[in-house]
Amino acid sequence: GAGVSQSPRYKVTKRGQDVALRCDPISGHVSLYWYRQALGQGPEFLTYFNYEAQQDKSGLPNDRFSAERPEGSISTLTIQRTEQRDSAMYRCASSSPNTDTQYFGPGTRLTVL
Amino acid sequence: LAKTTQPISMDSYEGQEVNITCSHNNIATNDYITWYQQFPSQGPRFIIQGYKTKVTNEVASLFIPADRKSSTLSLPRVSLSDTAVYYCLVGDMNTGGFKTIFGAGTRLFVKA
Repeated sequence: GAGVSQSPRYKVTKRGQDVALRCDPISGHVSLYWYRQALGQGPEFLTYFNYEAQQDKSGLPNDRFSAERPEGSISTLTIQRTEQRDSAMYRCASSSPNTDTQYFGPGTRLTVL
Repeated sequence: LAKTTQPISMDSYEGQEVNITCSHNNIATNDYITWYQQFPSQGPRFIIQGYKTKVTNEVASLFIPADRKSSTLSLPRVSLSDTAVYYCLVGDMNTGGFKTIFGAGTRLFVKA
């Protein structure tokens, strides 16, 4: 596609529910990143993939958060048993090999009630 | 990971040149320096990247001294639309992705 897409753009859920956030990277981009961004703060690294391999998940806050990219393209970030503190903008980015210029998607605004 | 330090905020007026300096004292040999710009309600957008000396593109210039322990992003003749947050990052481009730390960035306010 023309750019990185994310869905849904907005998600409102009740505390305790599971949510799945989707990222569709730019075609051919090898690396895919997930970030979380609170209002007024910089993006906080969560995890990244090269192809289907999760290279670093040290930024995932706890074991309720997980991510996968089974075919090396689309990725899903899953948050289980959501809590109010999970409310934030979740951003995805992708980059092509050997440049690591990251192209960001529009983000998913998650609100946990 | 090399930690970066930037001013929290800067003010400028339209038409002025703005220089934002970033410190990265423990930058590694293979690390590149990358700057991103973020407008409210949008994701960060790549501005410029360099390894040493000076890099210039249609948007900005990046000055990197010989010791590479700092870098300066230069925005010529800023306009109101340059009001944004600017992030300095360092990382090893050759590994095919890296744990990217954005920090709080520098909030630039351009006034009329």
